[in-house]
Amino acid sequence: DTEVTQTPKHLVMGMTNKKSLKCEQHMGHRAMYWYKQKAKKPPELMFVYSYEKLSINESVPSRFSPECPNSSLLNLHLHALQPEDSALYLCASSQVVGAGSGETQYFGPGTRLLVL
Amino acid sequence: AQKITQTQPGMFVQEKEAVTLDCTYDTSDQSYGLFWYKQPSSGEMIFLIYQGSYDEQNATEGRYSLNFQKARKSANLVISASQLGDSAMYFCAMREGPRYKLSFGAGTTVTVRA
Repeated sequence: DTEVTQTPKHLVMGMTNKKSLKCEQHMGHRAMYWYKQKAKKPPELMFVYSYEKLSINESVPSRFSPECPNSSLLNLHLHALQPEDSALYLCASSQVVGAGSGETQYFGPGTRLLVL
Repeated sequence: AQKITQTQPGMFVQEKEAVTLDCTYDTSDQSYGLFWYKQPSSGEMIFLIYQGSYDEQNATEGRYSLNFQKARKSANLVISASQLGDSAMYFCAMREGPRYKLSFGAGTTVTVRA
């Protein structure tokens, strides 16, 4: 089973709101990712967690705060977002990178975020 | 510099025909992985096929095959017997060395006509 789930599917928030995006996988993967994707563009990596520790932060503004409570869960806390943060937010997971097809990243269905 | 180049912004293909999506890559690493993903209008990125740099055989997964030409640094995706459900954006991506980060191409939109 190569399923990554994300909630909510859609989110509308004001610039003063605080909200969280959630991601869950039960594939035993130890690497989890957050991506941001604008319409008709490729995904852009935001964060990588490896063994529940933040491994990569792609210079993301502090209004985005990731959290990995355990090996199956990944959250993205949102605070004081700007309208330009409106996008599709994708979560992915993979085995810890190594040679072979095990490095494949499996994506969830995404959360469409609109910031008003 | 672009690490992944997809030169076809959009393509039309007739149902039941084969289509080839072009992808060239740029890396100096010996160890890398190449991926193709499909993204329908619903937004989910669906993994299609993987090719490792040391794999000697071209990867195949059902109707998908990857034409890997290492010397030319190309990794074209071939979809055989196109179906209406194949209409989507297709992304080529590469992982270099030990890093987690994938470099994505700009994508190719495929529209399958009945």
